[in-house]
Amino acid sequence: EIVLTQSPATLSLSPGERATLSCGASQSVSSSYLAWYQQKPGLAPRLLIYDASSRATGIPDRFSGSGSGTDFTLTISRLEPEDFAVYYCQQYGSSPITFGQGTRLEIK
Amino acid sequence: EVQLVQSGAEVKKPGESLKISCKGSGYSFTSYWIGWVRQMPGKGLEWMGIIYPGDSDTRYSPSFQGQVTISADKSISTAYLQWSSLKASDTAMYYCARLITMVQGEWYFDYWGQGTLVTVSS
Repeated sequence: EIVLTQSPATLSLSPGERATLSCGASQSVSSSYLAWYQQKPGLAPRLLIYDASSRATGIPDRFSGSGSGTDFTLTISRLEPEDFAVYYCQQYGSSPITFGQGTRLEIK
Repeated sequence: EVQLVQSGAEVKKPGESLKISCKGSGYSFTSYWIGWVRQMPGKGLEWMGIIYPGDSDTRYSPSFQGQVTISADKSISTAYLQWSSLKASDTAMYYCARLITMVQGEWYFDYWGQGTLVTVSS
């Protein structure tokens, strides 16, 4: 089973700043099959990025994903107030699918 | 517009049974797998199992095998998650979500239901 470790656990930034969230895998993720989700309090997760770097439908271009192998990054270029949430990565390159434990992005 | 609408919150006692639902619309319900995901209070996401409504092919995470039953009624575009005997540790939010599957069989989730909160307490 691939273990995904997200860092940092909590990231404190201000609106307008750039956010960089990391997802490290215990083994190489095949075909860069990695997704990112955003979850706001009291709401369901929302797909942001799939295949490591492809934005899902309706996702603003300030969200971008990158990486391959064991190191992946979600970047939010300029934080908007609505971006403060918990972010999860998920790999689907090998069985079983696994999720990271999440990074909480909070307002500084 | 793709929508997954889940049944409402439930409060149950230990030992009781429960079946929650997830109704899909805006797409061909029989052409996509549906999965169930657990989120315990203050915790992360755990995959429980998946079902293909077209033929009811079902697969379970080893962590949940034997603990829950997943089913679907394609005539009403609805998937279900059920317990025969609830425990306090089943208290959680449960999400259904549509899968996008890869050739080798794994998947990610592109659309999610709003969640069903299940509380089990004596």
